[in-house]
Amino acid sequence: AQSVTQPDIHITVSEGASLELRCNYSYGATPYLFWYVQSPGQGLQLLLKYFSGDTLVQGIKGFEAEFKRSQSSFNLRKPSVHWSDAAEYFCAVGGTGTASKLTFGTGTRLQVTL
Amino acid sequence: DTGVSQDPRHKITKRGQNVTFRCDPISEHNRLYWYRQTLGQGPEFLTYFQNEAQLEKSRLLSDRFSAERPKGSFSTLEIQRTEQGDSAMYLCASSPNSGGTDTQYFGPGTRLTVL
Repeated sequence: AQSVTQPDIHITVSEGASLELRCNYSYGATPYLFWYVQSPGQGLQLLLKYFSGDTLVQGIKGFEAEFKRSQSSFNLRKPSVHWSDAAEYFCAVGGTGTASKLTFGTGTRLQVTL
Repeated sequence: DTGVSQDPRHKITKRGQNVTFRCDPISEHNRLYWYRQTLGQGPEFLTYFQNEAQLEKSRLLSDRFSAERPKGSFSTLEIQRTEQGDSAMYLCASSPNSGGTDTQYFGPGTRLTVL
């Protein structure tokens, strides 16, 4: 069964500081990996995705993530955080089978201090 | 560009009542998913449609839950005899049919509170 672990429940960073959110997945084959962001009371917005190819993927809002098969990780990074980045971030894994559902981690809440 | 829409955005109901939620996917998206998100958790898969066919249901979807997508466009999720444990955010997502795992685009969700 596929699963996702986000070890950090809550992270606080200062505005302008760099950010890394951790994500570890478990999946028996090549996974499809996603990062979504959710603002309070809102739905999920896709930040970026990895299907194949270059293991460093770029997303919206200046985010990037690196797929590391050997570590079963897909960590999200941003070089300089803005106060508007405060939100909940979810990592998700989908399979390469037909029409696969997504399995989400429990999320990391990001707080940005000014 | 019209995204996924859900109605209502909020629903408060008393235990034992029936509720129905609607989801309108992105136009021409063949796949439609329902997820449930409880406080402090990530979304959990409930069910999925390919056009009008319901192809997969989670064991989370008890007999009190039913979902339909009658014409392969919008979908409804009904919960009968609601319980307090049904209180959650219900998220709908849609994706194009490009084979395998597509990118899923989510709606704003319907927050259900069962008193």
